[in-house]
Amino acid sequence: GDSVTQMEGPVTLSEEAFLTINCTYTATGYPSLFWYVQYPGEGLQLLLKATKADDKGSNKGFEATYRKETTSFHLEKGSVQVSDSAVYFCALLYNQGGKLIFGQGTELSVKP
Amino acid sequence: DAGVIQSPRHEVTEMGQEVTLRCKPISGHNSLFWYRQTMMRGLELLIYFNNNVPIDDSGMPEDRFSAKMPNASFSTLKIQPSEPRDSAVYFCASSPGQGIDEQFFGPGTRLTVL
Repeated sequence: GDSVTQMEGPVTLSEEAFLTINCTYTATGYPSLFWYVQYPGEGLQLLLKATKADDKGSNKGFEATYRKETTSFHLEKGSVQVSDSAVYFCALLYNQGGKLIFGQGTELSVKP
Repeated sequence: DAGVIQSPRHEVTEMGQEVTLRCKPISGHNSLFWYRQTMMRGLELLIYFNNNVPIDDSGMPEDRFSAKMPNASFSTLKIQPSEPRDSAVYFCASSPGQGIDEQFFGPGTRLTVL
């Protein structure tokens, strides 16, 4: 079945370090891909998305490129801040249906 | 816009009791989703509605769980009887289109069943 796999956390970085959180997916069709972020005690918020191959989603300094050949959608940021500390979820969604399939989440902790 | 509203934010109950979680989606959104989040299983979709009609309830764990959407501005998720393994954070989300757009999540209800 369809699934999303993320790198395990927690990921601990110093402020201004480069961030990569790996995400790969298994799907039979051509899903849209998303990154959601969950801050402590809150619900999930959409961070960025890409709807077709080679699309790049970006927001708040975060970027991810939809790579169909490697079935990946890795999240990157050039310089993280303490305020980026949160749990990040990769997800896929088929346009024909309403189901978001989430990865297990990766906790990011940024130290000053 | 107030966003998706869920109540209560926290619920502590005893095993065997009935629990009702409530959700008010964003006005004008056509789709509504109920998720459960636990450490062991991560985020799971329980059920989703489109135009108040349940479309997919394959994620509902068992008959103790039921969900309704009597109108476009209100949904409930009921657990009867509740069990300790139901302890989790339950999220409601809504989206503007037929499930093909961004989903906006509520703050969640943290349920503890003793």
